[in-house]
Amino acid sequence: GAGVSQTPSNKVTEKGKYVELRCDPISGHTALYWYRQSLGQGPEFLIYFQGTGAADDSGLPNDRFFAVRPEGSVSTLKIQRTERGDSAVYLCASSLGPAATIYFGEGSWLTVV
Amino acid sequence: KQEVTQIPAALSVPEGENLVLNCSFTDSAIYNLQWFRQDPGKGLTSLLLIQSSQREQTSGRLNASLDKSSGRSTLYIAASQPGDSATYLCAVKEGYSGAGSYQLTFGKGTKLSVIP
Repeated sequence: GAGVSQTPSNKVTEKGKYVELRCDPISGHTALYWYRQSLGQGPEFLIYFQGTGAADDSGLPNDRFFAVRPEGSVSTLKIQRTERGDSAVYLCASSLGPAATIYFGEGSWLTVV
Repeated sequence: KQEVTQIPAALSVPEGENLVLNCSFTDSAIYNLQWFRQDPGKGLTSLLLIQSSQREQTSGRLNASLDKSSGRSTLYIAASQPGDSATYLCAVKEGYSGAGSYQLTFGKGTKLSVIP
């Protein structure tokens, strides 16, 4: 596609439920990133993929968060046993390589009630 | 740990004014610096990317400068327009350390309002 696509755009879930957020990067982009943005804050890094492998997952807050990119294109961010503190916008981004310009999607707005 | 600070947090100017947004970072060993624009409820749009070896980049009415040694960058917007109203975010990418450190560290942004 023309840009980074994220689904769903909005998700409301109950505390304790499991959530999956999907990211479809720009075609040909090997680098893929997940960030999380809370209200009034800048985005915070979660995880970086180069191809299929997670090259840096140091930003994942705990073991409830997990992300995959099995074929080196689409990525899924998975959150288990959601908590109200997980409510935020989850942003996906991609680039041709780690040194290139990064392009962001519109984000998935997650609300945990 | 890298920290990025943006001043001011909010800025309101009349249409037509030139303005400067400031960004500072604590660790000068950066790979590049990128300025983004974020409209309410939207994702981030890349404006300018400055590699660590560069001093400035220009795109239309926007000019970004980088002084790596002092840990500062500025975004200059000429002849501001109401359509420039948005939050502007600065982000630095640190040099590759062998641990896959290609992550961006963001400031909290400057919220710009251009009054017609």
